[in-house]
Amino acid sequence: EAGVTQSPRYAVLQEGQAVSFWCDPISGHDTLYWYQQPRDQGPQLLVYFRDEAVIDNSQLPSDRFSAVRPKGTNSTLKIQSAKQGDTATYLCASSRQGNNQAPLFGEGTRLSVL
Amino acid sequence: QQQVRQSPQSLTVWEGETAILNCSYEDSTFDYFPWYWQFPRESPALLIAIRPVSNKKEDGRFTIFFNKREKKLSLHITDSQPGDSATYFCAASASSGSWQLIFGSGTQLTVMP
Repeated sequence: EAGVTQSPRYAVLQEGQAVSFWCDPISGHDTLYWYQQPRDQGPQLLVYFRDEAVIDNSQLPSDRFSAVRPKGTNSTLKIQSAKQGDTATYLCASSRQGNNQAPLFGEGTRLSVL
Repeated sequence: QQQVRQSPQSLTVWEGETAILNCSYEDSTFDYFPWYWQFPRESPALLIAIRPVSNKKEDGRFTIFFNKREKKLSLHITDSQPGDSATYFCAASASSGSWQLIFGSGTQLTVMP
């Protein structure tokens, strides 16, 4: 089966610019997660969806970050006005409710904000 | 508040030795503990996982030992190989249905040939 697909793989921005990340989960996985992984740290959950519904976005900086999954399949994470502190790898993961397996990650998008 | 802690931050062993990576947690409602490994410029990959109903989970050279009373677990890698050199993350989830994982800060393992 195909894994989680993310694009782009890399992004370089100036502060104040906007950027969008795209994720295509594993087919049949109803739950989709976005994580932020700063350099030399563990992944930190930003938001996750079950189908098209947001289950938890409490860790998403809501003033500049937004995430959608309108049809319960692909998802987009957007940063409206990037800051240097947003420099990190953004990881998408997916899982299937009731499946006895932890989420599987995509390759990630490495973001650098200059 | 760091709910999942890992130690040591970095570990170097010789090829063939056993590497021991430690993890502790605070929330007693955590009921699922996966370990992920991450190679440079790659994303985390699921390695092995355990539930509190067991105190040991083995998969080849990788074994998790779990102590529910002390809220501690450890990953043992026997006969370590240079290809095992990676960062290892311990994670925890309070509900297996949602897989809302909380990750530790990782242990960087280097296996010297």
